[in-house]
Amino acid sequence: GQQVMQIPQYQHVQEGEDFTTYCNSSTTLSNIQWYKQRPGGHPVFLIQLVKSGEVKKQKRLTFQFGEAKKNSSLHITATQTTDVGTYFCAGPGVEYGNKLVFGAGTILRVKS
Amino acid sequence: DAGITQSPRHKVTETGTPVTLRCHQTENHRYMYWYRQDPGHGLRLIHYSYGVKDTDKGEVSDGYSVSRSKTEDFLLTLESATSSQTSVYFCAISESTRNGYEQYFGPGTRLTVT
Repeated sequence: GQQVMQIPQYQHVQEGEDFTTYCNSSTTLSNIQWYKQRPGGHPVFLIQLVKSGEVKKQKRLTFQFGEAKKNSSLHITATQTTDVGTYFCAGPGVEYGNKLVFGAGTILRVKS
Repeated sequence: DAGITQSPRHKVTETGTPVTLRCHQTENHRYMYWYRQDPGHGLRLIHYSYGVKDTDKGEVSDGYSVSRSKTEDFLLTLESATSSQTSVYFCAISESTRNGYEQYFGPGTRLTVT
């Protein structure tokens, strides 16, 4: 079945360092979404990318959608302690009526 | 935050007992979902609903059933709980499933089956 894979599984950075998480799908995606989950919290929608090669920015966060629409990345510039959490990518799964298929997530820890 | 509540928030139960988790929304969204979250697996879809009395299976539906008798309520039932069903369960809602929809998640229910 369709798979959405994320790397790395875990990253521990020093405050102020940059961070990137990568998402790869086994199939072409019509769109990709990113969610953030704070420790002990619930996933919260960050952004959706739809177009091939699309780049979107939210303050220190930069999201990219690959040209082939099979991969995506989230880059955080100069991490802060408020960035701590798990970042998930998700794309429509053709097996379940286009319901979202989530990657396993990347856990980000920031050391101050 | 979207108006989504889950109950109970925490539950400990014994193997073989039935368990029902409730999701309640005040947003009048058509679509509702149940996910389970386990370390290393992200969020996996259990069941979803696209309207009152309209439900369908997700990726990990075995051992679970759902019901939706009202737009605002989506129930997840474990008929006979097993230890492998120990997990954090999230309910989510969305207005649509077309391009552009986003999902709003409830606070989660932590279920432990002993």
